[in-house]
Parts: sequence; C-alpha cells; structure tokens
Amino acid sequence: AQSVTQLGSHVSVSEGALVLLRCNYSSSVPPYLFWYVQYPNQGLQLLLKYTTGATLVKGINGFEAEFKKSETSFHLTKPSAHMSDAAEYFCAVRTPNRDDKIIFGKGTRLHILP
Amino acid sequence: NAGVTQTPKFRILKIGQSMTLQCTQDMNHNYMYWYRQDPGMGLKLIYYSVGAGITDKGEVPNGYNVSRSTTEDFPLRLELAAPSQTSVYFCASSPDRNSYNEQFFGPGTRLTVL
Repeated sequence: AQSVTQLGSHVSVSEGALVLLRCNYSSSVPPYLFWYVQYPNQGLQLLLKYTTGATLVKGINGFEAEFKKSETSFHLTKPSAHMSDAAEYFCAVRTPNRDDKIIFGKGTRLHILP
Repeated sequence: NAGVTQTPKFRILKIGQSMTLQCTQDMNHNYMYWYRQDPGMGLKLIYYSVGAGITDKGEVPNGYNVSRSTTEDFPLRLELAAPSQTSVYFCASSPDRNSYNEQFFGPGTRLTVL
C-alpha cells in the first residue's frame, strides 16, 4: 500500500533562508509524486509534480523537488524564502496505472520569520 | 473557466440536521473526489466518482452519501449531522485515469456541527 510521510508538522525559516520540506513515500512501484500548497482559507493548488524523466522538477514560485528513488524521498526546496511562502504544503503519491486515488501526507505548515 | 466551485463556503448545522454540499466543475473532468481536512490530519478521501452514474467509497465514507447524475456535478450529502463531521470539505476533479494528472481543488466548505 502507498503511504506518504512528511517530517515536521511545522517548519519555521527566516525570510531569505533556504526552505526544505521533507517527504518520504512508500510504494511498491515507482510512483507519481506531487507537492501541493494551500494558502489560508483556500483550496489546494499544484506546486509541482514528478512523473517520469528528469528527477529534479521545477515548480511555481521558485520551488523545486528532487525524486530520489534510493531514498524514497521527494523533498521540496526553495533557495530563498519569501513572506508570501507562508502556507501549508502537502506531499502526495499516486501509483501509475493502478489506482484512481492520490494519497496525501498530513501536511507541513511553513512559517516565515521576518 | 471557473474550475471547481463549491457552495456554501460556510455552514453551521445542529446535530441531526441534514445538508448537501454542492460541487460543480466546468472542465469536463470524468473523475471527481470529496475530501475532508482536519487539523494535522491531512486530507481524507470520503467518496469518489470515475464518471456519471459511478461512485465508490474512499477512506472515511460513513455518515455521507454522494450521487453523480451529470459529469459536472458531484454533491455530498450529510444525512444526520454529528459533531465529528465538523471539518473543511474539499471537492476535486481530474481529467481521467492517467495517474500523472493532478487533481484540481475547489475552495472548500467549512462546516461546523453544534
């Protein structure tokens, strides 16, 4: 069965500092992986996704993530945090050609310190 | 193109009351989903549908019902509201079964049961 683990329910970084949000997955086959962002009082929107090909994926707002099969990880990074990045971030996994559903992690709330 | 719309945005129910949460998408997506989001718990799948006339249970279906009479609409019904159903509800859609397609989310309905 698929599962997603996000380390840290809350992460705080200073404005201008590196953002690193961790995601590890469990899947019996190479999965498709997603990062979603949720701003306060809004729905989720896609930041980036990995399906096949290049393992370093770039998304919106300067975020990127790297698929590391050997570590079963898909960590989200951004070189320099901005106040507008304060939000909740969800990692998600979907099994190719097998399932109609996405499994979401529990989320990590990112706080940006001035 | 409005995407996924949900009504109402907020609702307070008394225990035992019933209500329907509306969800409509104008992207001609076959797949639609209902999630609930509770603090620190991520998103839990309630029901999903792979096309008009077809619905299936997700992870937490008890206390809810759905129908899918058209491609566009996927209402969620609460028959006897309970305090445990206090949550934020999100509707989502995706084009087809291809796993690389992300889900598109509505803005959510915040429900309180007192």
